[in-house]
Amino acid sequence: KQEVTQIPAALSVPEGENLVLNCSFTDSAIYNLQWFRQDPGKGLTSLLLIQSSQREQTSGRLNASLDKSSGRSTLYIAASQPGDSATYLCAVSPVGTGTASKLTFGTGTRLQVTL
Amino acid sequence: GAVVSQHPSWVICKSGTSVKIECRSLDFQATTMFWYRQFPKQSLMLMATSNEGSKATYEQGVEKDKFLINHASLTLSTLTVTSAHPEDSSFYICSAPTRGPGKTQYFGPGTRLLVL
Repeated sequence: KQEVTQIPAALSVPEGENLVLNCSFTDSAIYNLQWFRQDPGKGLTSLLLIQSSQREQTSGRLNASLDKSSGRSTLYIAASQPGDSATYLCAVSPVGTGTASKLTFGTGTRLQVTL
Repeated sequence: GAVVSQHPSWVICKSGTSVKIECRSLDFQATTMFWYRQFPKQSLMLMATSNEGSKATYEQGVEKDKFLINHASLTLSTLTVTSAHPEDSSFYICSAPTRGPGKTQYFGPGTRLLVL
């Protein structure tokens, strides 16, 4: 059974800092890995999707890397802003089912960026 | 991008009543939808996969008779929490993948259920 863990569980940083969020998964047989953002009491917003054959994806100040063999992914946020405050979730989908498959979510990292 | 809506956004009900939550794909058709549950300060846990025109597939430990799922059309799936109890209080989120190459999953805004 796939298990996804995120470290740290919570993080508070001053505005402007660069930061790294970590995600690890136990079964390396994944189709892809996604990073999501969740604001309090709200649904999910997809940030980045990395296919299993890819090593990284970038979108603006966000960069996500994937090391499938070691079961790890990192989300790098550059020049953090108060608007980045949210919970960040990583999720993996199993091999053979594509993007439309059920996802296994990590435990999340609650990020707070202070002024 | 594609939009998935949920209704209601929040609901408070008495213990023993049934609550229906709707998940709609507004601008695309979805033969499959997923229902997740999220308890406070925990991550999303998949409850079931809703399949248009056929029975839903439930994850281990999820009671199919308690959480009734109906996927009657290509744009609507409903989750009914029957005889709700306080322990069913949670945040319920649905997702729907688009079809075709490069399909992507879109998540609804969630429904917060409080059972008194």
